[in-house]
Formats: sequence, C-alpha cells, structure tokens
Amino acid sequence: EAGVVQSPRYKIIEKKQPVAFWCNPISGHNTLYWYRQNLGQGPELLIRYENEEAVDDSQLPKDRFSAERLKGVDSTLKIQPAELGDSAVYLCASSWTAGNTIYFGEGSWLTVV
Amino acid sequence: RKEVEQDPGPFNVPEGATVAFNCTYSNSASQSFFWYRQDCRKEPKLLMSVYSSGNEDGRFTAQLNRASQYISLLIRDSKLSDSATYLCVVNKDTDKLIFGTGTRLQVFP
Repeated sequence: EAGVVQSPRYKIIEKKQPVAFWCNPISGHNTLYWYRQNLGQGPELLIRYENEEAVDDSQLPKDRFSAERLKGVDSTLKIQPAELGDSAVYLCASSWTAGNTIYFGEGSWLTVV
Repeated sequence: RKEVEQDPGPFNVPEGATVAFNCTYSNSASQSFFWYRQDCRKEPKLLMSVYSSGNEDGRFTAQLNRASQYISLLIRDSKLSDSATYLCVVNKDTDKLIFGTGTRLQVFP
C-alpha cells in the first residue's frame, strides 16, 4: 500500500516568492494534516482536514498561508509571499480518522533565501 | 508550561546499554499517548502506543504514570540502529495530537 506522497521534496526560493506543496494521503484516510517542523523541534500542526473540511486551522498563519483539499483526497499548502522564517520541513500526514495513528509523508524541505 | 516536554538530549550510550526517556504532559485529561521515532532527515514514524497498564514490544517498554503526568520509554540492549530522535506524542481534546520536541539518542560502538 502506498504511503503518504508529497512533492516537491526540496524547494529553494527567494523571499517574497510563492511556493506550493502537494500531498496525496493514504487511500481511504479521511483525516489529513499539514505540520511544520523546524530544526530541533517537534512537528507543529498547521491545519487538519476531515474529508474536505478544515476543522482545525488555528495555527495556520492566514495572512500568507492557505490550504485546500477540494475533493477530500489530495491537498495543497501554499505560502505567498514566503519569508525567511518559513524555512522548515512541511510534513503532510493522514489517518483513518482523527485520533488514530498518524502516518507521515517524507516531507517537503523549504529553504527561503 | 509546555503541553508536552522532553529532555532534548542527546543521550549518548554504548551498544548494549539500557536507556530511558521521560516525557511530561500538562493536560490531565489526555487519553492517548504515543512514541514516534524520527531518523535524521526522515519523517516521524510510529514506534508504539502507550497503554495505561504499560506495554512492551521487544526491547522497547512504554509506561504511563497518570498521577505524575508522564510517560516513559525504556530501550534495553541498545543497538546502533536505535540512534534517532524519539518524539513523545499526547492527545489534546481527544482528536488533536501534540508532539514534543524529541529526545535525541546516539548509540556508539
């Protein structure tokens, strides 16, 4: 069974440029998460979807970050414009339902210069 | 106080040693607890869930102490391949998982 798939794996952009990350969760998983992980820190939740509904986006910096999961399957996370402090690993994860085991993708490594 | 706290380490131990990590949590209503393992530049992966009565999986033992609000992970007979960061995960509001900053373990020959 395929795991959580993310792309791109690595991205280097200049500050003020836009960037987008894509995620395809494990088939059948209703809950999808976007986490951000800074060096030496644990993952921090940005947004959680139950099917196509964003049920927890309290930690998403809405002035520059946006996310969508239009058909309740794959999802995109966008940053526009990027700032130097956005450099981090953006991890997508999914679970069958909220509270169940979370499976992570390999992450998208963002460097903003 | 942070919701989930861990000693960042690193814990440097020789092969064959026994090592233990603790993790404290602030929400007394938390019900679900996990240990995730994260290798360098890789994604976190579930190591084991933590049950109220404690549980064991091979060389790994996880325990929960609700009164003192901490969970622990014990690794016996450490292997070089155990070198990784161990993330403590605690649920909040039943469906929101909070990750600790992780404890780094380095096993040397």
